[in-house]
Amino acid sequence: DQQVKQNSPSLSVQEGRISILNCDYTNSMFDYFLWYKKYPAEGPTFLISISSIKDKNEDGRFTVFLNKSAKHLSLHIVPSQPGDSAVYFCAASFESNYQLIWGAGTKLIIKP
Amino acid sequence: DTAVSQTPKYLVTQMGNDKSIKCEQNLGHDTMYWYKQDSKKFLKIMFSYNNKELIINETVPNRFSPKSPDKAHLNLHINSLELGDSAVYFCASSQEVSGSNQPQHFGDGTRLSIL
Repeated sequence: DQQVKQNSPSLSVQEGRISILNCDYTNSMFDYFLWYKKYPAEGPTFLISISSIKDKNEDGRFTVFLNKSAKHLSLHIVPSQPGDSAVYFCAASFESNYQLIWGAGTKLIIKP
Repeated sequence: DTAVSQTPKYLVTQMGNDKSIKCEQNLGHDTMYWYKQDSKKFLKIMFSYNNKELIINETVPNRFSPKSPDKAHLNLHINSLELGDSAVYFCASSQEVSGSNQPQHFGDGTRLSIL
């Protein structure tokens, strides 16, 4: 049973435009949502997170939006840069144990 | 300075062998994890240790045994390797802070291939 879903395996965006990565979840009890970025042959690196009590968190070019009623979150990257080309993982956790439950990832390709 | 380091980076071995993967973190974190990334690219938690004590033990075969000699190290020993064990194994660490979710820091992975 997949509790965190990233339905787009890949996404291609022009450099300078906005990249929007989507994530859906099924468990309304999640307390935190996190986005990680992964380059080939490296481990995931933390990008940005949001608590379930908020609906938006912004950090530089990265903004995460949370829609609890739709059980949906999205990561916006603007403007997109070539170095943003990577696989982006959405993950969710509970405050009680901080165990991360991961989506399958979306490969973002930024075209020059 | 590498925060979370795993060795070896690549491991190619025969079915039936026993092998170990080592992990060390220099971040002073209390909690360490082992993940398996399967062929579908899902990251699945295998084990988690907090201050050398096992706190998460997902359904994995008994052939997998984690060992934490101190809170900076979490090694993974695998007995009687099988073809299905071929995957990328990631080690991670984090600092638990009550009331906030601290991000996990990952090593670069160990690519295990069973012949």
